[in-house]
Amino acid sequence: NAGVTQTPKFQVLKTGQSMTLQCAQDMNHEYMSWYRQDPGMGLRLIHYSVGAGITDQGEVPNGYNVSRSTTEDFPLRLLSAAPSQTSVYFCASSYSSGNYGYTFGSGTRLTVV
Amino acid sequence: GQQLNQSPQSMFIQEGEDVSMNCTSSSIFNTWLWYKQDPGEGPVLLIALYKAGELTSNGRLTAQFGITRKDSFLNISASIPSDVGIYFCAGMNTGNQFYFGTGTSLTVIP
Repeated sequence: NAGVTQTPKFQVLKTGQSMTLQCAQDMNHEYMSWYRQDPGMGLRLIHYSVGAGITDQGEVPNGYNVSRSTTEDFPLRLLSAAPSQTSVYFCASSYSSGNYGYTFGSGTRLTVV
Repeated sequence: GQQLNQSPQSMFIQEGEDVSMNCTSSSIFNTWLWYKQDPGEGPVLLIALYKAGELTSNGRLTAQFGITRKDSFLNISASIPSDVGIYFCAGMNTGNQFYFGTGTSLTVIP
């Protein structure tokens, strides 16, 4: 099993550009989520999904969109990148809303210049 | 969002020493998790705790779910160089949302 796969691993964007961070899992997990990790701030929840067709906002959703058309995929879209979105992004999945703990991807390091 | 205070922020220890870190919250949690993150990788689950007072071990790691349900502790015995990394606590509240601590950076000096 590949687990949770994130692409790309690194990305540099110019301010105002848009892009999609990809996340795919092959464990048939219902619950998927996106976090951003910033120095000294731990992991903060951006958006999450409890199943295909269902998404909801987390703690820091502004500037990001998500959709969940299949169980396997949960892409994160940056609509108009800003320097404040420079961060490391992690996708995570779980059997349920999290009682068994999450499986994380290896992260996408995004720099917005 | 809910705040999880994790301490210490960083630790520098000699190989072979024991390590203790803790996580406290102003809210009650139903589940506590401990993760380790290696450089350039995502966090990996070490231990999960589901009941107040629960004490669970995973090799040289032992974690406890605090009796008040507002804190958790992680101990690492006889540290080795590969223990280096950032350790995160995470708590799940009654709304089934997880919140993460800010991490403890561990450096083991051979």
